[in-house]
Amino acid sequence: SAVISQKPSRDICQRGTSLTIQCQVDSQVTMMFWYRQQPGQSLTLIATANQGSEATYESGFVIDKFPISRPNLTFSTLTVSNMSPEDSSIYLCSVDLGPYEQYFGPGTRLTVT
Amino acid sequence: DAKTTQPNSMESNEEEPVHLPCNHSTISGTDYIHWYRQLPSQGPEYVIHGLTSNVNNRMASLAIAEDRKSSTLILHRATLRDAAVYYCIRSDTGNQFYFGTGTSLTVIP
Repeated sequence: SAVISQKPSRDICQRGTSLTIQCQVDSQVTMMFWYRQQPGQSLTLIATANQGSEATYESGFVIDKFPISRPNLTFSTLTVSNMSPEDSSIYLCSVDLGPYEQYFGPGTRLTVT
Repeated sequence: DAKTTQPNSMESNEEEPVHLPCNHSTISGTDYIHWYRQLPSQGPEYVIHGLTSNVNNRMASLAIAEDRKSSTLILHRATLRDAAVYYCIRSDTGNQFYFGTGTSLTVIP
């Protein structure tokens, strides 16, 4: 298992600004993932972040809007840039500890006004 | 994932079995099927996974159709703590997870 923390747990931001979300895991992992969960909706994969390489983005998500860093095997950040109210969502990170299972963080609830 | 569909909501009486269906008609031969559940204000947590054969663990059973186009999560005796949103997920060879639409399960005491 893994213990995953995210910071901040929630934030209220003004449109046009950017927010960086941190994800910390208590063990070294190769793959980390970032998801978005819009209000009342399911989770959508944003990107896969492997240490030492560029993040791989899913269709509909671009690096300019959601830049990701992965400086080491226990940490990653997701930035939501130039925010609009449509970016109001819960953003979750997860880690891959084996071929068939992911552990999820508690999420960061973002509201853009 | 628009290709993985689930009923929006289901109800069950406490202590009764629950069958949660999932349609993944476009799944590829190497995609795994996972079920996770999400409680309010928490991240999803693992329930069960499988590829082709039916699977059992201490939490639940997973029945996979022979053509793999659908699956069913079975909770043998629902408890109040099982009330959650249940997600059917397919994963590709890179272990990327593509979530279904989710079913909100209500357990009636």
